[in-house]
Order: sequence, then structure tokens, then C-alpha cells
Amino acid sequence: GQQVMQIPQYQHVQEGEDFTTYCNSSTTLSNIQWYKQRPGGHPVFLIQLVKSGEVKKQKRLTFQFGEAKKNSSLHITATQTTDVGTYFCAGNDFNKFYFGSGTKLNVKP
Amino acid sequence: DGGITQSPKYLFRKEGQNVTLSCEQNLNHDAMYWYRQDPGQGLRLIYYSQIVNDFQKGDIAEGYSVSREKKESFPLTVTSAQKNPTAFYLCASSRTGGSNQPQHFGDGTRLSIL
Repeated sequence: GQQVMQIPQYQHVQEGEDFTTYCNSSTTLSNIQWYKQRPGGHPVFLIQLVKSGEVKKQKRLTFQFGEAKKNSSLHITATQTTDVGTYFCAGNDFNKFYFGSGTKLNVKP
Repeated sequence: DGGITQSPKYLFRKEGQNVTLSCEQNLNHDAMYWYRQDPGQGLRLIYYSQIVNDFQKGDIAEGYSVSREKKESFPLTVTSAQKNPTAFYLCASSRTGGSNQPQHFGDGTRLSIL
């Protein structure tokens, strides 16, 4: 069945370092969404990617969708303590969303 | 403010007991969803509803039931048949059930077994 794998599971960085999380799907996706969940909170929608090879930026965050629409990445430049949380991708295969297991980011000041 | 309200925030269940988690939204969204989140894991879909009076099973529907009698409300019942109910439950909604709609989440209900 459909699976969306996300790596790494955890990432500890020093404030100012960069961070990247990756999502890989076993099948072609119609789109992929990214969410952030702060500790003790609920997931909050960040962005959606639809087109093959699409790249979108939100300040220090860069989101990419692979050419084959099977993988995606989220890159944070120069992390800050406010970036702490778990980042989830959610791949859609034209019918349902499949959430990745998330990458928990910890930023040390 | 528009949003999704889940209640209660914490819930304790005795063995053999059914419990119902509330989810209300005032966003005028057509679609609503229930997810289960276990520590260190992603969100797993329990049930979803794209319109009133209609709902579909997700990936882990066994031991759960839902109803969608009103657009604003999508309660989830965790039945005694669910043998491992301890988890964080999240309700979400989207404007429509289409695959390009972002989901808006409530603050969740944490269910524990006594």
C-alpha cells in the first residue's frame, strides 16, 4: 500500500546551523503538504507543492517537490529556537493523505 | 475567531467503557477528519467525512465509530473494542474534501486508560 517515509526521525542542531528533512513516497503523488507541530500543540499547515520540480520559499524555509513527484524536502537555513517542533509531510495520491512519521527538530541556543 | 474546538483536552477511560470525543468547527468546512497520533509516529487516519451524513473509514477504523449529523460536528466514539486506545487524537477540517485543500487541526484530546 501507499507509504510516505520521512527521514530523519530526529535532528539536533546548534542555533544557526541548517536543517533538512526528506519525504519519499512509494507512488507518484498529486501534491504534498508540509505541516509543523510545536511541542504540545497541533499540526499547522505550512505549504502545498503541486507541480513537478516545484520550489517554494517562506523566509528561511525552502520546500522542494521532486521531478517524479515522489519525494520532497524541507530545508531551513540558519535555524532559530523558534523552529523547534516536528515537521510532517503529507502526501496525497489523488484520494487520501498519507502523513509521514515526522522529523523532530531540536535547536540548541 | 473561526477554528476547531476539541473537548475534552484530557480523557480517561476505564476498561470496557465507550467514550466520545467532541469536535466542532465554525469554519463552514465540508470535510472533517479524525487522526490518531502515537508517540514518535505520524498521524494515522481513523475516519473522514466529506459531507454531512456521509463518512468513510480510514486506515485504522476498527474499534472506532463516528457520526456526521451536522456540518459543524464530527464526534468520535472510542469503543471497548479498541484494545489500545491510549493516544493523542486530532480532529481536522478542510474547506472541501478535495486533495488540494490544507487541513486545519484542533488542539487534540489525550486519551488514557485507567
